[in-house]
Amino acid sequence: GAVVSQHPSWVICKSGTSVKIECRSLDFQATTMFWYRQFPKQSLMLMATSNEGSKATYEQGVEKDKFLINHASLTLSTLTVTSAHPEDSSFYICSAKTGTSEETQYFGPGTRLLVL
Amino acid sequence: DQQVKQNSPSLSVQEGRISILNCDYTNSMFDYFLWYKKYPAEGPTFLISISSIKDKNEDGRFTVFLNKSAKHLSLHIVPSQPGDSAVYFCAASWFGSKLTFGTGTRLQVTL
Repeated sequence: GAVVSQHPSWVICKSGTSVKIECRSLDFQATTMFWYRQFPKQSLMLMATSNEGSKATYEQGVEKDKFLINHASLTLSTLTVTSAHPEDSSFYICSAKTGTSEETQYFGPGTRLLVL
Repeated sequence: DQQVKQNSPSLSVQEGRISILNCDYTNSMFDYFLWYKKYPAEGPTFLISISSIKDKNEDGRFTVFLNKSAKHLSLHIVPSQPGDSAVYFCAASWFGSKLTFGTGTRLQVTL
């Protein structure tokens, strides 16, 4: 199956710093990439949808100035958590979609962020 | 507002027996449902799906049942194997919209 990677797999940072997470589709070009966040014992919550070369579409309640998404190419999307605070500590998962059906959405392994 | 719910956070089943994972939804607009399997430190992987025009879809040991009137779907795994131990998420979408996930059920298949 298609492979999606994320880097880093985990990160610990001080409050107030910015953290960048990369999401790459390794063996396919993704028409659309998604960023999710998962808090412990909760479901995956979609944060934003991004298409290559255009601005990301953010879900209601997600601050676009805090969670900056750049989708510079068909194989790379980045999520930057700006001025991170402890409440941003979470598990961030990206996914990449190759086609129109939902089965063509492939997920990365996730990045665990801990903000001290 | 949790539109997709998995009320059982965990389930333990003996190897060889049937595992039944349940999922309920509230949004009647959902017309496509998927099950994902997730191992620790990995992203969810697609397992099986069902369209609202069907009430059953089978793929090997995995069968998904959909009861639209009850807004309920279930995933049956027969026979269960130790390698099936993972967290299972159900997800729903409508007209190709975003996926809405449930909270997950941790399945433990014991020897």
